[in-house]
Amino acid sequence: EPEVTQTPSHQVTQMGQEVILRCVPISNHLYFYWYRQILGQKVEFLVSFYNNEISEKSEIFDDQFSVERPDGSNFTLKIRSTKLEDSAMYFCASSDVRGGANEQFFGPGTRLTVL
Amino acid sequence: RKEVEQDPGPFNVPEGATVAFNCTYSNSASQSFFWYRQDCRKEPKLLMSVYSSGNEDGRFTAQLNRASQYISLLIRDSKLSDSATYLCAVNRVNAGKSTFGDGTTLTVKP
Repeated sequence: EPEVTQTPSHQVTQMGQEVILRCVPISNHLYFYWYRQILGQKVEFLVSFYNNEISEKSEIFDDQFSVERPDGSNFTLKIRSTKLEDSAMYFCASSDVRGGANEQFFGPGTRLTVL
Repeated sequence: RKEVEQDPGPFNVPEGATVAFNCTYSNSASQSFFWYRQDCRKEPKLLMSVYSSGNEDGRFTAQLNRASQYISLLIRDSKLSDSATYLCAVNRVNAGKSTFGDGTTLTVKP
């Protein structure tokens, strides 16, 4: 069964450093998403991406964040200058349709720890 | 008011019990609805989509009430392995995201 993969599974970084989280969506999916979940809290939407551009973003997704699809398979989330409050699980998801009945499939997540 | 609200829980039930979770949404433009299961420190896994006519998958039944803007999940004959947090998710028309509730934690005890 096809699945979304993410690397690394755990990233530890110092405050102010840049991190890049990587995702490989399901191969025939066209819509990609990043969500985050702070420990003990709800899953929060960050950004959605389609046709090589951002289609929607939340207020959390400020100038410190960016996304890219550098090739035909990877989808990345970059945080330019990490803050302590960026510590969270970051989930990538993909779907084959947008809006409507778009069942989103999640990767296993990257646990980001900012020290 | 939160866009998606779930029963606060936690729910602690014995094996074999029937348990129901409710989720309300505030945006009437919401179009599609899902239940996810999340195990501790793992990703949300899609459990089932929720259709207007209601749908059933084995021991799990999902219902949608558009007039009252809520969805429900019923688990019959609960198993120890059903212990998890159940998340409802709501998508608006043409929206590129899912909005999740806070989740309801279920513990099934022997």
